[in-house]
Amino acid sequence: DTAVSQTPKYLVTQMGNDKSIKCEQNLGHDTMYWYKQDSKKFLKIMFSYNNKELIINETVPNRFSPKSPDKAHLNLHINSLELGDSAVYFCASSQAMAGSEQYFGPGTRLTVT
Amino acid sequence: SQKIEQNSEALNIQEGKTATLTCNYTNYSPAYLQWYRQDPGRGPVFLLLIRENEKEKRKERLKVTFDTTLKQSLFHITASQPADSATYLCALDGRGSTLGRLYFGRGTQLTVWP
Repeated sequence: DTAVSQTPKYLVTQMGNDKSIKCEQNLGHDTMYWYKQDSKKFLKIMFSYNNKELIINETVPNRFSPKSPDKAHLNLHINSLELGDSAVYFCASSQAMAGSEQYFGPGTRLTVT
Repeated sequence: SQKIEQNSEALNIQEGKTATLTCNYTNYSPAYLQWYRQDPGRGPVFLLLIRENEKEKRKERLKVTFDTTLKQSLFHITASQPADSATYLCALDGRGSTLGRLYFGRGTQLTVWP
């Protein structure tokens, strides 16, 4: 049973394209997140949703648009992809917004050429 | 803005020894501090959480300390094994306006050799 799943695992695309990454959790958690891990392995939060509501937008360019159709899903759409968007994107979920362990998905490696 | 430093990028120790990893932070007063393990090509996996009013937490061979005066957390793995080789990340857990954010350090890559 996969707790947090993401699709696709790998995504290779050209600059200027639009792409989406999907995330689903079957843990019954209320809070979901998107993180970006760059080539130097620095893991940085991008967005946080609680009960389908956007809570945190950590100064991410508006080319990135998260969408939460329900509590179990948080998708990430990226418009006009740039070379600097190449990274591994992780989805995560937790039971509460603070003081709660986070469960991470396997990651989506995005390569923009 | 907050800054998190993990003592070194890499730590190599012999099997059976105790590994000690350090996490220092500035410009922040986290309500909680968490430690995660990350293996290559995988997402981080939660290990331990410690609250600001707790000094120490243990789980099997793992021990975490949290000193809010020094703004430091130490993460210990006793009787280390090659299977403990991974990158270990500390993360500060917010309060107030930063609620819901986990700020991660860059990690320490631990290698345990036989």
